[in-house]
Amino acid sequence: GQNIDQPTEMTATEGAIVQINCTYQTSGFNGLFWYQQHAGEAPTFLSYNVLDGLEEKGRFSSFLSRSKGYSYLLLKELQMKDSASYLCAVKNSNYQLIWGAGTKLIIKP
Amino acid sequence: GAVVSQHPSWVICKSGTSVKIECRSLDFQATTMFWYRQFPKQSLMLMATSNEGSKATYEQGVEKDKFLINHASLTLSTLTVTSAHPEDSSFYICSARDGGERGNQPQHFGDGTRLSIL
Repeated sequence: GQNIDQPTEMTATEGAIVQINCTYQTSGFNGLFWYQQHAGEAPTFLSYNVLDGLEEKGRFSSFLSRSKGYSYLLLKELQMKDSASYLCAVKNSNYQLIWGAGTKLIIKP
Repeated sequence: GAVVSQHPSWVICKSGTSVKIECRSLDFQATTMFWYRQFPKQSLMLMATSNEGSKATYEQGVEKDKFLINHASLTLSTLTVTSAHPEDSSFYICSARDGGERGNQPQHFGDGTRLSIL
């Protein structure tokens, strides 16, 4: 089968750094996406990785290791508005998007 | 950037009513759109892939006669929940991609439709 594993919930402090991990086992790999979803809203696109390494976008960075089937999303200088669920999704060899269950991130003052 | 509009954002109706939800790509053409369902505190569940000018591809366990999908143009897909019942109450979200499946373009989501069947 195909599956994406992410922690269910994480807590971090305002101003700190947090790393959200995602491991995947899919039939082939054609890219990995990270999305942010605030409660009651639709997901918004954050980042895309298809080659190994780190992609940086402002306070957010995403890392990929294809050999390990592993990615992480790194959030720096956390703000209260970063409280949301973070979804990892992998495009497999059939170009289908396989979604993780999401990690709920709680930011405390 | 790519914008997807979904309408209506909230529907409350009686059991047995059919409800139509529209999904539009505003600044790009989308040959493929996706319909998802999401229950509280759960992840996105793909219901079907909507293909312009052809029949939708439904995921296993999704009743195609219950959830009618029409993708008549490159910018509009509709999902009709026929004879809705309370168990159909959920958050329905559409998405569209600006580009083919082999590219690196992400799916862009509409704002979702919260459906409540009384």
